[in-house]
Amino acid sequence: AQSVTQLDSQVPVFEEAPVELRCNYSSSVSVYLFWYVQYPNQGLQLLLKYLSGSTLVKGINGFEAEFNKSQTSFHLRKPSVHISDTAEYFCAVSDAGTYKYIFGTGTRLKVLA
Amino acid sequence: ETGVTQTPRHLVMGMTNKKSLKCEQHLGHNAMYWYKQSAKKPLELMFVYSLEERVENNSVPSRFSPECPNSSHLFLHLHTLQPEDSALYLCASSQEGRSNEQFFGPGTRLTVL
Repeated sequence: AQSVTQLDSQVPVFEEAPVELRCNYSSSVSVYLFWYVQYPNQGLQLLLKYLSGSTLVKGINGFEAEFNKSQTSFHLRKPSVHISDTAEYFCAVSDAGTYKYIFGTGTRLKVLA
Repeated sequence: ETGVTQTPRHLVMGMTNKKSLKCEQHLGHNAMYWYKQSAKKPLELMFVYSLEERVENNSVPSRFSPECPNSSHLFLHLHTLQPEDSALYLCASSQEGRSNEQFFGPGTRLTVL
């Protein structure tokens, strides 16, 4: 069965510093990969997704992620974070063409002034 | 209204009460989902409806009863809940065949006393 690992439960980082949030998934022939962000008292908002094609995916709010099939990873990066990026970030994977998402446990990003 | 809406946003109920959560999607999607989000746990998929038929029921206790009267509305009926059912309940929708990208509502924060 598919599984997703987000190794870091919390990541503190200073404002304007770069950040990387890690996500690894169990192997599959073909997968879709997603990153969602959740601000306090809100639902999940899609940041970016990988379906096929270029392994570097750009999303909203300056975030990007790179699909690495050999390492079964889909790490999220931002070159310079803002206070407003403080939120919880979830990685999710689905077998291509299916509706069933498997979510990671989330990484809480805290941006410090 | 746009996107996915959920009512109420907050609900406090006793163990003997009966209540319902409502979800409405304004995106023209044909699949809807209920998730449970508890602290320190991955999002748990509870139910999936596709074209108004239930296609997934992840061993959810019978005290949770879903209803999907049409493709735009989804309900979760609650009866004799336990304190461990306190959580954020998220609704999502997607259009099958379009990468199954899921759009989430803001959630209902449920507290069972």
